[in-house]
Amino acid sequence: AQTVTQSQPEMSVQEAETVTLSCTYDTSENNYYLFWYKQPPSRQMILVIRQEAYKQQNATENRFSVNFQKAAKSFSLKISDSQLGDTAMYFCAFTQGGSEKLVFGKGMKLTVNP
Amino acid sequence: GAGVSQTPSNKVTEKGKYVELRCDPISGHTALYWYRQSLGQGPEFLIYFQGTGAADDSGLPNDRFFAVRPEGSVSTLKIQRTERGDSAVYLCASSLTVPSGEQFFGPGTRLTVL
Repeated sequence: AQTVTQSQPEMSVQEAETVTLSCTYDTSENNYYLFWYKQPPSRQMILVIRQEAYKQQNATENRFSVNFQKAAKSFSLKISDSQLGDTAMYFCAFTQGGSEKLVFGKGMKLTVNP
Repeated sequence: GAGVSQTPSNKVTEKGKYVELRCDPISGHTALYWYRQSLGQGPEFLIYFQGTGAADDSGLPNDRFFAVRPEGSVSTLKIQRTERGDSAVYLCASSLTVPSGEQFFGPGTRLTVL
């Protein structure tokens, strides 16, 4: 069974600092996709960044970047220059090639302090 | 609005009652997904539609849960004989492309079973 583990339930960071959120996953497949989603108090899940497993290059989206270590099955999210609006729950998720269902971790609450 | 919409935003019902939750996907999105998010957890997959047909319903917990998408657009999640354990936020998402296109989420329906 595919699983996603987020071992840090909660983190806080000062505005403008850099923070890294960790995620590990388990799969026996070779073709899969990894995602980080953000869920603010409004409940609406927003895609932050996406990584295809077959791509060696780490994905980046402005202040957000990932460190994808395929052999270690690790997929961490780095947020640079943290902003107050980054305060939210962050979920790591996974979908396997041939299946459209997202498998989510339990999430991590990030608080950015002024 | 151009996003995924869900109605109602909140639903309170009594144990044993029947409820229907509605999802309006983004126009033109052929894929539609339902997830359930319990307190303090990540979303869990329920069912995925491609067009009018359920392509994967492996996440439905039992036969009290049923979902339809008769015209390939709006979907309704139906729960019979509700139980207190059904209390959760029910999230709907849609995507334009498969495989593993970005899933755009709605704000969810918070279901409370008393």
